[in-house]
Amino acid sequence: DSGVTQTPKHLITATGQRVTLRCSPRSGDLSVYWYQQSLDQGLQFLIQYYNGEERAKGNILERFSAQQFPDLHSELNLSSLELGDSALYFCASSRGGSSSYEQYFGPGTRLTVT
Amino acid sequence: AQSVAQPEDQVNVAEGNPLTVKCTYSVSGNPYLFWYVQYPNRGLQFLLKYITGDNLVKGSYGFEAEFNKSQTSFHLKKPSALVSDSALYFCAVAGFGNEKLTFGTGTRLTIIP
Repeated sequence: DSGVTQTPKHLITATGQRVTLRCSPRSGDLSVYWYQQSLDQGLQFLIQYYNGEERAKGNILERFSAQQFPDLHSELNLSSLELGDSALYFCASSRGGSSSYEQYFGPGTRLTVT
Repeated sequence: AQSVAQPEDQVNVAEGNPLTVKCTYSVSGNPYLFWYVQYPNRGLQFLLKYITGDNLVKGSYGFEAEFNKSQTSFHLKKPSALVSDSALYFCAVAGFGNEKLTFGTGTRLTIIP
């Protein structure tokens, strides 16, 4: 158990809908990262927050947004969902903002868009 | 742009034999290098990292990795493979001052009893 929690574990929804994925980092960790894992594109970095502020952005679509709250938990919002958004979404956390810190991954949320 | 190559999609090793999972990288400046392992239906688990210092890095579960700057490689090794080592292994790189971690495509390691 990494100490990172993600809810829900599974999510099935229809095209065009909006969903929210939630992540709680390990105790004491200030950074939260979001990743998308799919068979065709592998593990893709989406976005990083550090102590409430956006720190780095990766291949995140405009339909997706995220935020980190004062208690350091984070939410990833996916809207206008398409079939291609079906994937595993992982949250990870680390102690600091630098990429030199190892990241600890949650168990993931499996999103299925029908 | 930074990148990671894991040239082997699949590696099969007999139990008890040494194993190597290959990784090469490209990044501006000094690299931060990581290995992660993913078991079925689980998140990634951190194994080890190289930031600076000794080129041979020891990590969890008896794994180690050797940083080779001239060959831009960071191969994962273990002297004696266990069946429980069977999993998907990811190499990742970031550059100093670049907060994004770039992952390779993964290598599926199968240890044959």
